[in-house]
Amino acid sequence: QVQLQESGPGLVKPSETLSLTCAVSGYSISSGYYWGWIRQPPGKGLEWIGSIYHSGSTYYNPSLKSRVTISVDTSKNQFSLKLSSVTAADTAVYYCARRGSSGYYWGYWGQGTLVTVSS
Amino acid sequence: QSALTQPASVSGSPGQSITISCTGTSSDVGGYNYVSWYQQHPGKAPKLMIYDVSKRPSGVSNRFSGSKSGNTASLTISGLQAEDEADYYCSSYTSSSTWVFGGGTKLTVL
Repeated sequence: QVQLQESGPGLVKPSETLSLTCAVSGYSISSGYYWGWIRQPPGKGLEWIGSIYHSGSTYYNPSLKSRVTISVDTSKNQFSLKLSSVTAADTAVYYCARRGSSGYYWGYWGQGTLVTVSS
Repeated sequence: QSALTQPASVSGSPGQSITISCTGTSSDVGGYNYVSWYQQHPGKAPKLMIYDVSKRPSGVSNRFSGSKSGNTASLTISGLQAEDEADYYCSSYTSSSTWVFGGGTKLTVL
């Protein structure tokens, strides 16, 4: 069974870079599929941040593209998110996820991690 | 890209059926059969309920069904149960190789 677990600082200062890692177990990232990051500000809806293929091809939300970098480390079976120049508007629960086995949907999700942007 | 449009809230009594709509454009919902629906209980991660417009993952009750007409997709829950009370989100793959979510709908079981 595929399992994903987010990790990283829970508090980031404004203008700094938010960095999160998603550790994957039960499946080898190098075997395929798209891996992604999705966030949810407190009390609000879901927002897709971006996705990466196991080969390294990336796709980003146009509204965040200038600040986002997603990378994959197949040797550690994990992928990462970096979001630069953060503001309070980036405070959210951040989820990592894997695309479904048979289509364009997010079939596996991590439990999520809350990141607060505050000085 | 703009978020897909969902009603903010819907409600129904136990045993009744409800439908949640999700409206997009020809670049997302209308252009692909890649609409998915997620259920989210408070403090929990979203759970996939429907994918590819109308397919149910293993383990999801057949009380949940999906459909699409033009640029609007719909999620129908029949035989409402108290445990169905949650937030529901639609999502679609887009012509730009990105994903977009709806704003979410809060389902209240009266």
